[in-house]
Amino acid sequence: QITLKESGPTLVKPTQTLTLTCTFSGFSLSTSGVGVGWIRQPPGKALEWLALIYWNDDKRYSPSLKSRLTITKDTSKNQVVLTMTNMDPVDTATYYCAHSYYYGSFIYWGQGTLVTVSS
Amino acid sequence: DIQMTQSPSSLSASVGDRVTITCRASQGIRNDLGWYQQKPGKAPKRLIYAASSLQSGVPSRFSGSGSGTEFTLTISSLQPEDFATYYCLQHNSYSYTFGQGTKLEIK
Repeated sequence: QITLKESGPTLVKPTQTLTLTCTFSGFSLSTSGVGVGWIRQPPGKALEWLALIYWNDDKRYSPSLKSRLTITKDTSKNQVVLTMTNMDPVDTATYYCAHSYYYGSFIYWGQGTLVTVSS
Repeated sequence: DIQMTQSPSSLSASVGDRVTITCRASQGIRNDLGWYQQKPGKAPKRLIYAASSLQSGVPSRFSGSGSGTEFTLTISSLQPEDFATYYCLQHNSYSYTFGQGTKLEIK
């Protein structure tokens, strides 16, 4: 059974760096074809894809946010970490991590974590 | 970057109605498209993958079609539990893109 769970701060101040961790089970990021991505959703708004990392360390980022994002993996811990710099109130959103296979669409999703950016 | 234009943004329909939602890609994406259903406070759920393949466990009233730049999600006979927001997702290019969503409401 594949599960994913996001963790991190619920409140960050403007200009701070956000660090989110996705801890998963039921698969390994050392297995060929496997990827984990991050998606966010501001309250009442649409889904927005942020970043993806694959088993071979291929990393992909949203062009509009690329300068602020870093995605890394720790295969031994079954974790993927997303950092986003220079946080702004418009970055307030629920952040999801999700499982992908061979560059396909996301099948399994975490429950999401709400991050609020406010001073 | 590939842009996905989803329409309509909202739709009112009745139980039993047939509804269609469309996503258009700014350039060809073969069949690299998925459809998702999202209910309030929940993570999205994949309904369709590879444009027209039904995800295991999803009712057969849901279907997807299209290839290249135009894609549709059809619900053949709306059920009460289908009232939700629907999104398309393209995964053809270096970067992924979601459509802007279609909120399906009860008439």
